[in-house]
Amino acid sequence: SQTIHQWPATLVQPVGSPLSLECTVEGTSNPNLYWYRQAAGRGLQLLFYSVGIGQISSEVPQNLSASRPQDRQFILSSKKLLLSDSGFYLCAWSVGGVGAFFGQGTRLTVV
Amino acid sequence: SQELEQSPQSLIVQEGKNLTINCTSSKTLYGLYWYKQKYGEGLIFLMMLQKGGEEKSHEKITAKLDEKKQQSSLHITASQPSHAGIYLCGADMGSNYKLTFGKGTLLTVNP
Repeated sequence: SQTIHQWPATLVQPVGSPLSLECTVEGTSNPNLYWYRQAAGRGLQLLFYSVGIGQISSEVPQNLSASRPQDRQFILSSKKLLLSDSGFYLCAWSVGGVGAFFGQGTRLTVV
Repeated sequence: SQELEQSPQSLIVQEGKNLTINCTSSKTLYGLYWYKQKYGEGLIFLMMLQKGGEEKSHEKITAKLDEKKQQSSLHITASQPSHAGIYLCGADMGSNYKLTFGKGTLLTVNP
């Protein structure tokens, strides 16, 4: 069966520090991979999606970037965090369709 | 304006009562997905609807997609405290690879 791993679960980082969140999927090949951010009262915002290795589409201009170095690995990064980057980040995957299955999320607090 | 409207924003019910959550789109939906989320955790996939008039049930939760494929409802029968959480609808609006989400409905079930 397919599983998705996302880590860390919580992270507190100072403003201006770098960020790296990792997500891996097991039990499937060539998944579509997604990074979402969830802010209180604003629902889920799609940040990036990838349909293959090295293929990244960005949905909103921001201080973040994404990379997909391997088929089932998706990384969310920032060179210098801003206070506004705080939020709940969710990784998701899908195969053969648009529906997505989500990881457990990372609570990022930038201080 | 929000492409996907979810109502109500929050709902408090007494255990044993029935309830309905609605998700309305301004565009035709190619697919509608319902998720449940506990605070601080990832989204749990509940059901997917694709055909107009389609209805699916799992235990005490029933989801329907109207014939025009612009509105979906999630109905919980005889609610229990275990049903408490945030319910989100996600829609495939034909944009390829991604879902648009409503802002969620916070459900509280009082014992």
